[in-house]
Amino acid sequence: DAGVTQSPTHLIKTRGQQVTLRCSPKSGHDTVSWYQQALGQGPQFIFQYYEEEERQRGNFPDRFSGHQFPNYSSELNVNALLLGDSALYLCASSADGQGAVDTEAFFGQGTRLTVV
Amino acid sequence: KQEVTQIPAALSVPEGENLVLNCSFTDSAIYNLQWFRQDPGKGLTSLLLIQSSQREQTSGRLNASLDKSSGRSTLYIAASQPGDSATYLCAVRARDYKLSFGAGTTVTVRA
Repeated sequence: DAGVTQSPTHLIKTRGQQVTLRCSPKSGHDTVSWYQQALGQGPQFIFQYYEEEERQRGNFPDRFSGHQFPNYSSELNVNALLLGDSALYLCASSADGQGAVDTEAFFGQGTRLTVV
Repeated sequence: KQEVTQIPAALSVPEGENLVLNCSFTDSAIYNLQWFRQDPGKGLTSLLLIQSSQREQTSGRLNASLDKSSGRSTLYIAASQPGDSATYLCAVRARDYKLSFGAGTTVTVRA
């Protein structure tokens, strides 16, 4: 079992550009969540996808958008990048199908985004 | 809004000493609580999951307790080793599906 995999591991972008980050969930998991972690802080929830729909969203602007594919993998897109978007972006997967709400979340190794 | 606090922010102990990490949360209506380990620049590794109906969970040298009514959890690490040096994060899951995290406790175990 490969666990949760994210790509790329590192990325450098220029202010104003757009970026796409990718996530493959753990085998058997159908729910993907994205988090942003600034240096020295705990992860902050961006949004969660279940059944290809955005189920819940945190306090992030519309510049942050996502998608979930039929195979449960997911993408996080960020438009008009700002210097403050520099952070570690983490993807988490869980098996929330059939109404389960107390499942364990597993995280990927993250994508380090640097905006210059 | 759920607020999660971890105390202390940093901890340095000699090898062999037991570690006690604290986590508190403001809204007791949670489904579960997870403890994670994070090495510098890396992702999160799940250590323990405690369901809201449970009082504690154990895995090897790790033991976590949960007092939902008072909004507290404690992670105990017995006989610490230099390899235990990392940041430890607690997170609670509530009805809004998301995990709410504390800022973490950074642990250094001195050889």
